[in-house]
Amino acid sequence: AQSVTQLDSQVPVFEEAPVELRCNYSSSVSVYLFWYVQYPNQGLQLLLKYLSGSTLVKGINGFEAEFNKSQTSFHLRKPSVHISDTAEYFCAVSLTGNQFYFGTGTSLTVIP
Amino acid sequence: DGGITQSPKYLFRKEGQNVTLSCEQNLNHDAMYWYRQDPGQGLRLIYYSQIVNDFQKGDIAEGYSVSREKKESFPLTVTSAQKNPTAFYLCASSIDGHKGEQYFGPGTRLTVT
Repeated sequence: AQSVTQLDSQVPVFEEAPVELRCNYSSSVSVYLFWYVQYPNQGLQLLLKYLSGSTLVKGINGFEAEFNKSQTSFHLRKPSVHISDTAEYFCAVSLTGNQFYFGTGTSLTVIP
Repeated sequence: DGGITQSPKYLFRKEGQNVTLSCEQNLNHDAMYWYRQDPGQGLRLIYYSQIVNDFQKGDIAEGYSVSREKKESFPLTVTSAQKNPTAFYLCASSIDGHKGEQYFGPGTRLTVT
């Protein structure tokens, strides 16, 4: 079975500081990787995705992520966070077979 | 505007009653999914469907049923056999199964008492 691990359940960070949200996955085959954001009582919105090619992926709202195959990681970063970035962030992987596997989420709180 | 709609936003039921959650998409996507979200557990897959009239169980299908009679619609029924039905339910669709990203609806919060 595939698994996705988000190592930090909660991440507090001061406004305008950088942040990194960690994601590791277990898979011996090629995967597609995604980061989603969820605001309270809403659905998930795609931030960015890695399908192939450059390992550094840029997404919306100034977020980026780097795919590291040897470490099976796909960490999400932002150089300077805003109050509006406060939300739940989910890492997900997809294999053949049309199934997606989600991590348990990281709650990012930006402190003024 | 294209998107996924789920209704209602909030749903309340008495224990022992079946309840059906609606999910409609006008994105012309082939694949549709139902997830359950509980605090601290992320999203868990209930059922998914790649084409009309076909669907597969996910990791937590027990106590749930689905149908896919139309491409646009993928309703989920929470039956009385589901032991712990109170949760936030999310519907999603994707154009190309595993390769394309999933688009999510706004969710339905079901409370069973």
